[in-house]
Amino acid sequence: SYELTQPPSVSVSPGQTARIPCSGDALPKKYAYWYQQKSGQAPVLVIYEDNKRPSGIPQKFSGSSSGTMATLTISGAQVEDEGDYYCYSTDSGGYHWVFGGGTKLTVL
Amino acid sequence: EVQLVESGGGLVQPGGSLRLSCAASGFTFRSNWMSWVRQAPGKGLEWVANIKQDGSEKYYVDSVKGRFTISRDNAKSSLFLQMNSLRAEDTAVYFCASGYCSGNNCYAGLWYWGQGTLVTVSS
Repeated sequence: SYELTQPPSVSVSPGQTARIPCSGDALPKKYAYWYQQKSGQAPVLVIYEDNKRPSGIPQKFSGSSSGTMATLTISGAQVEDEGDYYCYSTDSGGYHWVFGGGTKLTVL
Repeated sequence: EVQLVESGGGLVQPGGSLRLSCAASGFTFRSNWMSWVRQAPGKGLEWVANIKQDGSEKYYVDSVKGRFTISRDNAKSSLFLQMNSLRAEDTAVYFCASGYCSGNNCYAGLWYWGQGTLVTVSS
């Protein structure tokens, strides 16, 4: 079955740029979506279609995709950005979706 | 305001059944793909199933195929997940999630989420 691979954790100091990668064989042809989840809460969409921000999401969140790698970038990360981040995409057929394993972002 | 409210979770024995419901409001339910996503305690998100706007197409993660059935009632803006032959590994918070449409454009992905309902499979 199809898999998306993320590092388990990323740590940065306040004000630094955090980059969270997500690799998958179908990403050259399929969009990546990114979700932020804080403890005990439902996930929130922060990036759709590789690099677009939904209304209300701060400009500090950006996305990119090249080849089999999609990347979520959080510029000037702050303590309030801590949480788990998940990439999400489909397999090559387009109908079976999958989440990456999630990356815990720590800002300290 | 978009609202998705799940219900129907609870404690069930292995091999048992449960039916989850999701009541939607604040958007045009019939225009959107709908999905179920679950999260086992302390674990990551797992896509479970989705259903096309008119219910004509349904897709499932392999681990639930033949045991779970997703359905919808557009007249009542409701989404359902019938879960049979439940196993301990199905224990999770189950989230209902929707796509998003703006005008004539509809977007894939999971834009709106409910707060989830906990399903515990244990004897």
